[in-house]
Amino acid sequence: DGGITQSPKYLFRKEGQNVTLSCEQNLNHDAMYWYRQDPGQGLRLIYYSQIVNDFQKGDIAEGYSVSREKKESFPLTVTSAQKNPTAFYLCASSLSGSGNEQFFGPGTRLTVL
Amino acid sequence: GENVEQHPSTLSVQEGDSAVIKCTYSDSASNYFPWYKQELGKRPQLIIDIRSNVGEKKDQRIAVTLNKTAKHFSLHITETQPEDSAVYFCAALRQGGSEKLVFGKGMKLTVNP
Repeated sequence: DGGITQSPKYLFRKEGQNVTLSCEQNLNHDAMYWYRQDPGQGLRLIYYSQIVNDFQKGDIAEGYSVSREKKESFPLTVTSAQKNPTAFYLCASSLSGSGNEQFFGPGTRLTVL
Repeated sequence: GENVEQHPSTLSVQEGDSAVIKCTYSDSASNYFPWYKQELGKRPQLIIDIRSNVGEKKDQRIAVTLNKTAKHFSLHITETQPEDSAVYFCAALRQGGSEKLVFGKGMKLTVNP
């Protein structure tokens, strides 16, 4: 479990506000990922990054943005353009994208009031 | 793109019984198939994975089988215990392709003492 952290654990936001979720890892992993988890929907990929200063859209990128300025960090911003942002957000990392185990953070539960 | 279907969505068994979770995938080029377990309120964790060059892999009470022709893979849990109660996710990835892990929607397993 160790080595990948997310903060905060719970986050409340008013409609129309942007919010940034933190994800940090000290596993020296090249690849990092953001997933959204909704009941009965499994894990859906928002964005992923295989190397510093590069990232790609996943399956549900609309309304989200990311940056990868450091190997250890991959913050996710949920913008006001995201129509239904209330969800559980999971960050993960792996040695590389090539079929290596993804290690997940503890998650952030975002609620829009 | 890849599509992973998982069934059943819920399964309830008695302690000591076996449980089988089945997944199908659509991209015949997918070659890495991990299984993740997520206990209530916790992060997903890898429990076993299989690559397309083998048909079966075992680790104590759990085993995974892969049928490339039919494009399906299954997780088998024998001698189930209450601590096996969790949500199980299958996933598929094509190494050398998009490098995106595509998850099924998950199956909630309940083991009754």
